[in-house]
Amino acid sequence: DTAVSQTPKYLVTQMGNDKSIKCEQNLGHDTMYWYKQDSKKFLKIMFSYNNKELIINETVPNRFSPKSPDKAHLNLHINSLELGDSAVYFCASSQGVPAYEQYFGPGTRLTVT
Amino acid sequence: GEDVEQSLFLSVREGDSSVINCTYTDSSSTYLYWYKQEPGAGLQLLTYIFSNMDMKQDQRLTVLLNKKDKHLSLRIADTQTGDSAIYFCAVLADSGNTPLVFGKGTRLSVIA
Repeated sequence: DTAVSQTPKYLVTQMGNDKSIKCEQNLGHDTMYWYKQDSKKFLKIMFSYNNKELIINETVPNRFSPKSPDKAHLNLHINSLELGDSAVYFCASSQGVPAYEQYFGPGTRLTVT
Repeated sequence: GEDVEQSLFLSVREGDSSVINCTYTDSSSTYLYWYKQEPGAGLQLLTYIFSNMDMKQDQRLTVLLNKKDKHLSLRIADTQTGDSAIYFCAVLADSGNTPLVFGKGTRLSVIA
């Protein structure tokens, strides 16, 4: 029944490792997003995909690589993790561009030690 | 670029009304949103308003938009302890691929 789901919910890893976060939506939306929420709760867009095509790529280090195998999935791979990558990462989805209603997943709390 | 500002904290007594304010800078902002985030949870879309509207009411929630002053507010009537959360204002310009821009969130604490 979950609309936007993310796995894992928690991820603890060491600096220098590579990790992935997965996102799936069952709403039939054609646009998906990754947001980063830092320790002060500030929320900022990272990427957006529309019909598997990258349409928004904010100023994000190229260690972050999104991949959209189909419209229902948007995964985030992070190489060479750094302490500053510790945050909560939210996936969201919407229908159409511009996105009138975005629905968010529960978030993945990434802790880099 | 767009800048969205909110006060960081608000404390109210149970049963009172809460008013959370937001200001934005881009006059082309067309859609304006309020999201709620409970502890450890994702963002829940509460309501949104188009820039051609002044007011929108949805049960206990009232959104007011002053487009001239670029000011958006969310009023919660009869605030309950379950309303304690962080409330984010977000704006979207109707120009294709622009992203949602969020404020830093207002932490609402409801005192019983």
